[in-house]
Amino acid sequence: EPEVTQTPSHQVTQMGQEVILRCVPISNHLYFYWYRQILGQKVEFLVSFYNNEISEKSEIFDDQFSVERPDGSNFTLKIRSTKLEDSAMYFCASGQGRRETQYFGPGTRLLVL
Amino acid sequence: KQEVTQIPAALSVPEGENLVLNCSFTDSAIYNLQWFRQDPGKGLTSLLLIQSSQREQTSGRLNASLDKSSGRSTLYIAASQPGDSATYLCAVENFNKFYFGSGTKLNVKP
Repeated sequence: EPEVTQTPSHQVTQMGQEVILRCVPISNHLYFYWYRQILGQKVEFLVSFYNNEISEKSEIFDDQFSVERPDGSNFTLKIRSTKLEDSAMYFCASGQGRRETQYFGPGTRLLVL
Repeated sequence: KQEVTQIPAALSVPEGENLVLNCSFTDSAIYNLQWFRQDPGKGLTSLLLIQSSQREQTSGRLNASLDKSSGRSTLYIAASQPGDSATYLCAVENFNKFYFGSGTKLNVKP
């Protein structure tokens, strides 16, 4: 059964560094999403992406963040100048259509020291 | 801003019981509501998606209902099993953004 994959599973970085989190959505899906979950808190929506552009973003998704679909399969989240409070689990999700079921990847646990 | 609340926060039941998890949301202008399960340290698995025009969805032992006007959804799990132990999250789509509840942590005892 097709699934969303994410790499790396864990990432440790120093404050101020840039990180790129990678996702491979399900191949025939057209809508892509990033979420984060700070330990012990709710899952938070970051951004949705369709047709090679951002379709919606939350207040969290400021200039520190960017997303890209560099080729036909990968979907990346870049976090510039990481802060301690960026430590969280980051989930990628994809869906076939807008307002359809979203399928989540296993997440990347980011720790900023 | 949309707020999603889930009650109870935790639930422990003996195997075989039928149970109901609750989700409420403050802004009824939603496009859909989705129920997920999350296992410790893992991603989210979609269980059921209810569009705003629908009243309920069923999958196996799971039944989810939606009352948009009152801002409520329930997830009914029939004949619970130890493998159902997980955290159950509800999420609503509201003006193209997604809002999650804090979840109900379910423990089904053998």
